[in-house]
Amino acid sequence: DAGVIQSPRHEVTEMGQEVTLRCKPISGHDYLFWYRQTMMRGLELLIYFNNNVPIDDSGMPEDRFSAKMPNASFSTLKIQPSEPRDSAVYFCASSEGTGGRFGGYTFGSGTRLTVV
Amino acid sequence: SQQGEEDPQALSIQEGENATMNCSYKTSINNLQWYRQNSGRGLVHLILIRSNEREKHSGRLRVTLDTSKKSSSLLITASRAADTASYFCATDAGSNYQLIWGAGTKLIIKP
Repeated sequence: DAGVIQSPRHEVTEMGQEVTLRCKPISGHDYLFWYRQTMMRGLELLIYFNNNVPIDDSGMPEDRFSAKMPNASFSTLKIQPSEPRDSAVYFCASSEGTGGRFGGYTFGSGTRLTVV
Repeated sequence: SQQGEEDPQALSIQEGENATMNCSYKTSINNLQWYRQNSGRGLVHLILIRSNEREKHSGRLRVTLDTSKKSSSLLITASRAADTASYFCATDAGSNYQLIWGAGTKLIIKP
């Protein structure tokens, strides 16, 4: 398996534009997570899915953020409209079983988002 | 939310020395995991230790867990420049909870 694949690796956009981040989890993993990492706030869980169903989106900062998982092999995180404070590295991770208890989480390489 | 607290926040040692990082947590757990993050990359799972285990080894890594003190330590022996990274602990606190992350220890190995 090629691991968790995220695209794009870097995204620079203007304030007010829509941004879509993409993730392909590891085949067979039933949990998918979206995280945001900044120097100030560290690693923050935004939302996670179990078997393609959103379970907890309490970490989503506001209504400008939305996430979907239409099937087991694809998820998107959308920000509309984007703001400079959304600048961060966004990670997607997947795991088998809750809490990563069967081998931990596998993270993608992240998308570095810069909103100017 | 962050339950784990790593100590120290930053550590700088000479290549070849051993590096020890500590993690404390607040609630009972099913397991505790350690991850490494190289600059500009995603986190990589290193080792998982279950609540009924006290010590675990993987190559140059040794992890201990003391559930009575709610703490864990990660020892990297014979450090190498390639070990320079941030190290995070994360705890699995129950069936409906996902991993709770610490803030990380930044480790620098000087050649």
